[in-house]
Amino acid sequence: AAGVIQSPRHLIKEKRETATLKCYPIPRHDTVYWYQQGPGQDPQFLISFYEKMQSDKGSIPDRFSAQQFSDYHSELNMSSLELGDSALYFCASSLSGNSYEQYFGPGTRLTVT
Amino acid sequence: GESVGLHLPTLSVQEGDNSIINCAYSNSASDYFIWYKQESGKGPQFIIDIRSNMDKRQGQRVTVLLNKTVKHLSLQIAATQPGDSAVYFCAEISPRNSGGSNYKLTFGKGTLLTVNP
Repeated sequence: AAGVIQSPRHLIKEKRETATLKCYPIPRHDTVYWYQQGPGQDPQFLISFYEKMQSDKGSIPDRFSAQQFSDYHSELNMSSLELGDSALYFCASSLSGNSYEQYFGPGTRLTVT
Repeated sequence: GESVGLHLPTLSVQEGDNSIINCAYSNSASDYFIWYKQESGKGPQFIIDIRSNMDKRQGQRVTVLLNKTVKHLSLQIAATQPGDSAVYFCAEISPRNSGGSNYKLTFGKGTLLTVNP
């Protein structure tokens, strides 16, 4: 069965650079969630989109922004990167805003040097 | 704010033994709980869930117990296998504080399970 696809899987950036992470949800899923997981930490909710509209906002820094496109894929844009942004970034998708059944992608490992 | 947490950060068991991973939650409004397994370099994978109106739910080799009185959740893995080695997270689904139709999933701190052959 098709799963959530994230790209790139690994990304290395320098401080103050920008990064764009992409997420392709499971076919027919219209809701996307972004999570950040620091080393040895639990995933922290950043932001979610339902039907291309922001549906919920968590601990997302102002330097980050995200959007969901007409094909339901989502992009997380990160600017003025800091060392502390180094983490695993997970995307999850669900159907019709159903937070109960989120399917997670493999994650993008971002390293900021 | 309210959060979900785990008592034990690491658990080491022998292959074939049963494993018990515990979790405490503090949001009494949470009505749904999930256990996730996360292997190294991978995203969280759903294991089992339980609704707040249940005390126990069984899956294949896994059982989740919910004690609402003390706000405690546990995951029991029977006959633990090397492939069970991973980080296990409990998570709760609770209504958004601001209302609305969407619910929020909050992860607790993970427990690293190591299975020794």
